[in-house]
Amino acid sequence: QQQVKQSPQSLIVQKGGISIINCAYENTAFDYFPWYQQFPGKGPALLIAIRPDVSEKKEGRFTISFNKSAKQFSLHIMDSQPGDSATYFCASNMNRDDKIIFGKGTRLHILP
Amino acid sequence: DAGVTQSPTHLIKTRGQQVTLRCSPKSGHDTVSWYQQALGQGPQFIFQYYEEEERQRGNFPDRFSGHQFPNYSSELNVNALLLGDSALYLCASSLVGTVRANYGYTFGSGTRLTVV
Repeated sequence: QQQVKQSPQSLIVQKGGISIINCAYENTAFDYFPWYQQFPGKGPALLIAIRPDVSEKKEGRFTISFNKSAKQFSLHIMDSQPGDSATYFCASNMNRDDKIIFGKGTRLHILP
Repeated sequence: DAGVTQSPTHLIKTRGQQVTLRCSPKSGHDTVSWYQQALGQGPQFIFQYYEEEERQRGNFPDRFSGHQFPNYSSELNVNALLLGDSALYLCASSLVGTVRANYGYTFGSGTRLTVV
């Protein structure tokens, strides 16, 4: 059973544009929502994360928007750059549990 | 400071064989988690080791087993390999109870296993 549903599967954005990736979760016990970035040939790396007590978190060009009632959250990449081309995974976790549940990923390509 | 080191980087095995994958965690980390990432999919949690014991397990059959050594390094063993076991196997290390901290897991680059 997939507990985190991610869309779209792939995304092409012009340089300087806004990239938006969406995720929905099912388990209301989840209370930590990270995004991981993976480049080809590398393991995923933590990009940014949010807890449900806030509706938005921003770090540089990366912003997570969180809608607790809809059980949805999204990643926005402002001023997208070719170096942002990677696969992005949304994920979820519940308290007292070190297991992270990943979505299927979004392959992002930024056109130069 | 080395991050997570995994070996080998690539491996080809025949159906029915057994395989052992190895992981050295990031310095200072005491917990090792193993994930399977099929092509085009997100990582799937296999199990986690802490204090040389399996702490949590995902929905994987008993053919998947592991071990953690006193120096925190870990092995993943898969018996009776199936074609469907072909995937990238990722090792992730962390300090126990800190995956929710700002630095999360530290992943290795993985071992690409191909079963023919």
